[in-house]
Amino acid sequence: GDSVTQMEGPVTLSEEACLTINCTYTATGYPSLFWYVQYPGEGLQLLLKATKADDKGSNKGFEATYRKETTSFHLEKGSVQVSDSAVYFCAFTPGANNLFFGTGTRLTVIP
Amino acid sequence: ETGVTQTPRHLVMGMTNKKSLKCEQHLGHNAMYWYKQSAKKPLELMFVYNFKEQTENNSVPSRFSPECPNSSHLFLHLHTLQPEDSALYLCASSQEGGQDEQFFGPGTRLTVL
Repeated sequence: GDSVTQMEGPVTLSEEACLTINCTYTATGYPSLFWYVQYPGEGLQLLLKATKADDKGSNKGFEATYRKETTSFHLEKGSVQVSDSAVYFCAFTPGANNLFFGTGTRLTVIP
Repeated sequence: ETGVTQTPRHLVMGMTNKKSLKCEQHLGHNAMYWYKQSAKKPLELMFVYNFKEQTENNSVPSRFSPECPNSSHLFLHLHTLQPEDSALYLCASSQEGGQDEQFFGPGTRLTVL
């Protein structure tokens, strides 16, 4: 069935380090792919999205490329900041009303 | 108020209590959702309403009862819950269903004693 597999955390990085959080999905058809972020005490916010193969979503210095051949949508940032500390969720929707989420990866950035 | 709001933010209840969670969206959206977020588990979609009609019920126990009186408001009525129902309950909305971006509220942290 449809599912998302996301890198388990927690991840701890020093400020200005590079970040990669892996995400792969299993789905039929052509899903839309998303990264959501949840800051402490808040709900989820859409960070970026891609709706077709080879699309690159980007926002706040984060990027992810829709790779249909590897069914992946890895999240990357070249230089993380303390303010990036949060939980990151990979998600996809195959259509209809269903949004499938990964388990989340907690990122802590230390000064 | 803007975006998606949820009340209360925190709720503690006994197993015999009846309580309700409220969600309100100020975005003019037509689809609303309830999710359950438990530690170390993926978000679980519970219910979906599209134009006030329930279109999805992901095998949720009957002790959770949703209500959508209009496209801006969504309730989750709770009764005779179990301790394992303790979780963060998130409400979301989107313009339509399908692949539209979902906007989330801050959640209600529920503890069942």
